[in-house]
Amino acid sequence: GENVEQHPSTLSVQEGDSAVIKCTYSDSASNYFPWYKQELGKRPQLIIDIRSNVGEKKDQRIAVTLNKTAKHFSLHITETQPEDSAVYFCAASMNNAGKSTFGDGTTLTVKP
Amino acid sequence: SAVISQKPSRDICQRGTSLTIQCQVDSQVTMMFWYRQQPGQSLTLIATANQGSEATYESGFVIDKFPISRPNLTFSTLTVSNMSPEDSSIYLCSVESAHGQYFGPGTRLTVT
Repeated sequence: GENVEQHPSTLSVQEGDSAVIKCTYSDSASNYFPWYKQELGKRPQLIIDIRSNVGEKKDQRIAVTLNKTAKHFSLHITETQPEDSAVYFCAASMNNAGKSTFGDGTTLTVKP
Repeated sequence: SAVISQKPSRDICQRGTSLTIQCQVDSQVTMMFWYRQQPGQSLTLIATANQGSEATYESGFVIDKFPISRPNLTFSTLTVSNMSPEDSSIYLCSVESAHGQYFGPGTRLTVT
């Protein structure tokens, strides 16, 4: 089955700096790659996603890149703010977005 | 986006007992998914619940331990049977839509 590795496990940045989280996947058949933000005590929330027919997607301060050949994808957050502090999960799935394999998560701390 | 509710939000149960968790969605969905998130960990898919057929379980999860019902297109239940302290976790239901995957608020289960 699919295996998703996520790095780093923790990331601390100063407010205004950029943050990058990287994931690799094992199953070349995976074609949907979402990212979720989970604040303490809350449910995971989808923040951005990318499909395998696209190399990059951007939404305001958040962007995701995908390298299908290398089987890795990354989340980029620019101009970080304290409210970006949370646990971020990457995931991979094949066609079916609901049946995803998740990475282990990255705890992002943005220091004011 | 789908609006998902779960009951109960939390419970403390004794070893050997069972708990049934309910998940309600505000729109009809073909598939519903049940995930487990152990404290400080990532999300792991337990099973996929299809209306009108038996649930499909992931490796490591069995129907006798986690029976699932799906009586209609907006509702599902997950039962955690014969509980042990190792079952202490957050259980989340999830649905997929054209805009991605959405999670319920979760049920925090503590087994003593």
